[in-house]
Amino acid sequence: GESVGLHLPTLSVQEGDNSIINCAYSNSASDYFIWYKQESGKGPQFIIDIRSNMDKRQGQRVTVLLNKTVKHLSLQIAATQPGDSAVYFCAENRGNQGGKLIFGQGTELSVKP
Amino acid sequence: DTEVTQTPKHLVMGMTNKKSLKCEQHMGHRAMYWYKQKAKKPPELMFVYSYEKLSINESVPSRFSPECPNSSLLNLHLHALQPEDSALYLCASSQDWTGELFFGEGSRLTVL
Repeated sequence: GESVGLHLPTLSVQEGDNSIINCAYSNSASDYFIWYKQESGKGPQFIIDIRSNMDKRQGQRVTVLLNKTVKHLSLQIAATQPGDSAVYFCAENRGNQGGKLIFGQGTELSVKP
Repeated sequence: DTEVTQTPKHLVMGMTNKKSLKCEQHMGHRAMYWYKQKAKKPPELMFVYSYEKLSINESVPSRFSPECPNSSLLNLHLHALQPEDSALYLCASSQDWTGELFFGEGSRLTVL
């Protein structure tokens, strides 16, 4: 069925540590993936994206890794800060379905000072 | 202007009311979206408009009626809703249907 799932619903890390948030997707035809951050009471905010012709993409303090063989996506946040506390969603764009962006279940990241 | 603006931020309505949610973007994006989000859940796609035409309807009940008057505006008309329709309704836009979606802050709807 349709699913983009995350392995862990909650993640607690110490400030300054690195965080890794994982995501599994089911549609091998998906060609574009996005990580979003959603803070309480706000809309999802774009963090980083990656296309299926890439394995890795880096941004400021964030890295996304894509393993198409096992249909797995991860978001790495370096030197996690209290402001990183939020729910993180991976989303899968099924280009062959005319723009359906399907969200995974989300991981709530909590950063301890 | 890189914003998607949604109004109202909060809406309380009875099951017999008719109301509308509004969304506006001035980024020249040609695709616009409505998502529904329940607490502690991911956003669920409802509708996609591409070049002002409805391209995807995810089997949404007819009590939700989308409208795209022009390339900058997207409305969601609500009529005879149920309490279980209470949720955060998110609007988004993208340059086209292959790229990043920009989300608004949402309209929080409560149906009594």
